[in-house]
Amino acid sequence: NAGVMQNPRHLVRRRGQEARLRCSPMKGHSHVYWYRQLPEEGLKFMVYLQKENIIDESGMPKERFSAEFPKEGPSILRIQQVVRGDSAAYFCASSPTHGYTFGSGTRLTVV
Amino acid sequence: GIQVEQSPPDLILQEGANSTLRCNFSDSVNNLQWFHQNPWGQLINLFYIPSGTKQNGRLSATTVATERYSLLYISSSQTTDSGVYFCAVDLFGNEKLTFGTGTRLTIIP
Repeated sequence: NAGVMQNPRHLVRRRGQEARLRCSPMKGHSHVYWYRQLPEEGLKFMVYLQKENIIDESGMPKERFSAEFPKEGPSILRIQQVVRGDSAAYFCASSPTHGYTFGSGTRLTVV
Repeated sequence: GIQVEQSPPDLILQEGANSTLRCNFSDSVNNLQWFHQNPWGQLINLFYIPSGTKQNGRLSATTVATERYSLLYISSSQTTDSGVYFCAVDLFGNEKLTFGTGTRLTIIP
């Protein structure tokens, strides 16, 4: 049973480009949570999605960030017109019976 | 929102030593987990422990929900235990984890 799969592991983008981060939850799970970890900080909640629905996006920046979880395929976290402050590790999680399991993360570097 | 504080912020120990990490939280919680973030950045789930005591090898954890704290014990530390330890909680009916500030553990050979 594969865990939470994220790709790419590392992503480098120039300022102004778009970043797309992908997450496939654990098999059979239809809920995905995205978290961001800035350097030397803890993880902060961004968004909670179910298939085709955004349940809670209270942690998402108001501009440039969006997330989706289509009926087929992985969840996508999209960051438009990236800036240096977007450099961070982005983790997604799914929630089996007890607790959350996190993927290995995508480390975004904006140059 | 709920506040989650961890102590100590940093801990440097010799290999073989024991340690206790503490997590205090400000409200009744539905879920509490301990994670280890290794030097490569991977987040490893150690314990799901909203209450009670659990043990897994050299690690054990205790949560006293009524007093709003949890403890993580590491015995006979190894260099591979180095990294940052986070506790994280969520509230009833609110499925988003709030992470503590972390304890950075460094084990010296």
